[in-house]
Amino acid sequence: GAGVSQSPRYKVAKRGQDVALRCDPISGHVSLFWYQQALGQGPEFLTYFQNEAQLDKSGLPSDRFFAERPEGSVSTLKIQRTQQEDSAVYLCASSFLAGGYEQYFGPGTRLTVT
Amino acid sequence: AQTVTQSQPEMSVQEAETVTLSCTYDTSESDYYLFWYKQPPSRQMILVIRQEAYKQQNATENRFSVNFQKAAKSFSLKISDSQLGDAAMYFCGNNAGNMLTFGGGTRLMVKP
Repeated sequence: GAGVSQSPRYKVAKRGQDVALRCDPISGHVSLFWYQQALGQGPEFLTYFQNEAQLDKSGLPSDRFFAERPEGSVSTLKIQRTQQEDSAVYLCASSFLAGGYEQYFGPGTRLTVT
Repeated sequence: AQTVTQSQPEMSVQEAETVTLSCTYDTSESDYYLFWYKQPPSRQMILVIRQEAYKQQNATENRFSVNFQKAAKSFSLKISDSQLGDAAMYFCGNNAGNMLTFGGGTRLMVKP
């Protein structure tokens, strides 16, 4: 079956622009996660959804970051007024449920802010 | 708060040999899960192996096995009969709730 897909794969934004990153999880997966991976580092948690409910957004670095999953499937991570420090790979993952279930990762979106 | 530490930024192994990647973690939770993920240069993270903290038996998946020492909060990954396709970044992760906390990764190089 299809895995987790993300679009775009690459995004270049000028400082101050808004960007929207899309994640299509595996069909039937209740849980959806967003991670930020800086160059040469491990992924860091941003936010978590169970169906359409955003249950944890403790990892969002600032109020410029906003995520939604309105119908409990596709999710969008939006970054307003991008800054150079936002440059990173943004990974989406989905799992059947949260907790100890395996998280399936998408290929990521590489965001470069110039 | 959870932390995961991988003390080896890079490791190298000869093809067909065995290599062990180290991972230590800290958590206040009593119920948690530990994972090793592989990230090849294409960037997509793939699960290698998973361990439930309440299980004493070490998890094994074909050539991959773990040495889980709960008291020491250690979770190392052993790769036997290393293959060229094993070359990648390896991330250790701890899930004690809803999110995975990852270590900084170990880059594994496999020499032919």
